[in-house]
Amino acid sequence: TQLLEQSPQFLSIQEGENLTVYCNSSSVFSSLQWYRQEPGEGPVLLVTVVTGGEVKKLKRLTFQFGDARKDSSLHITAAQTGDTGLYLCAGDSNYQLIWGAGTKLIIKP
Amino acid sequence: DSGVTQTPKHLITATGQRVTLRCSPRSGDLSVYWYQQSLDQGLQFLIQYYNGEERAKGNILERFSAQQFPDLHSELNLSSLELGDSALYFCASSVVPASYGYTFGSGTRLTVV
Repeated sequence: TQLLEQSPQFLSIQEGENLTVYCNSSSVFSSLQWYRQEPGEGPVLLVTVVTGGEVKKLKRLTFQFGDARKDSSLHITAAQTGDTGLYLCAGDSNYQLIWGAGTKLIIKP
Repeated sequence: DSGVTQTPKHLITATGQRVTLRCSPRSGDLSVYWYQQSLDQGLQFLIQYYNGEERAKGNILERFSAQQFPDLHSELNLSSLELGDSALYFCASSVVPASYGYTFGSGTRLTVV
């Protein structure tokens, strides 16, 4: 069974701090996607990384795909209250998405 | 508006009843996926359709069934409902399976009382 482990499961920090969320697996993925979900809404795709070692930036968010395409990280610089939400990673394996359990992020003002 | 439309947004029903949730995928998307999300839980994959045919099954109960119609909209049928079926049910769509990301609808919140 393929698993994607996300850590931490829960993170509460002050506005302005930096943070990193991790997504790890023993399996290789052809791509890895990051989503953000707000309460009562559907997940929204933030980014897809495809190439091992790839780094993508979305304003204050930096996404990295591991060289072996088994892991990924999401780094947020100078977190803002609007970053609060559930962050989900999902790996594409044989055209099926394997989902992590999510990281619940709370940014306090 | 993501382009994926789910109806109804809210549904309250009694145990033992049957309900149907509806999803219209984003224009041009051939794949439809159904997910269940209980309170403070991750997404549980239920079932996937591609161009009218079932492609993959996840942890879908026998009391649940789904189909995708020729116009590509999909319905998820939940029967003999139990209290534990209360959850958010999401539909997502994509151009090709998995590929470069899913577009999710805003979900149907089902409450079984």
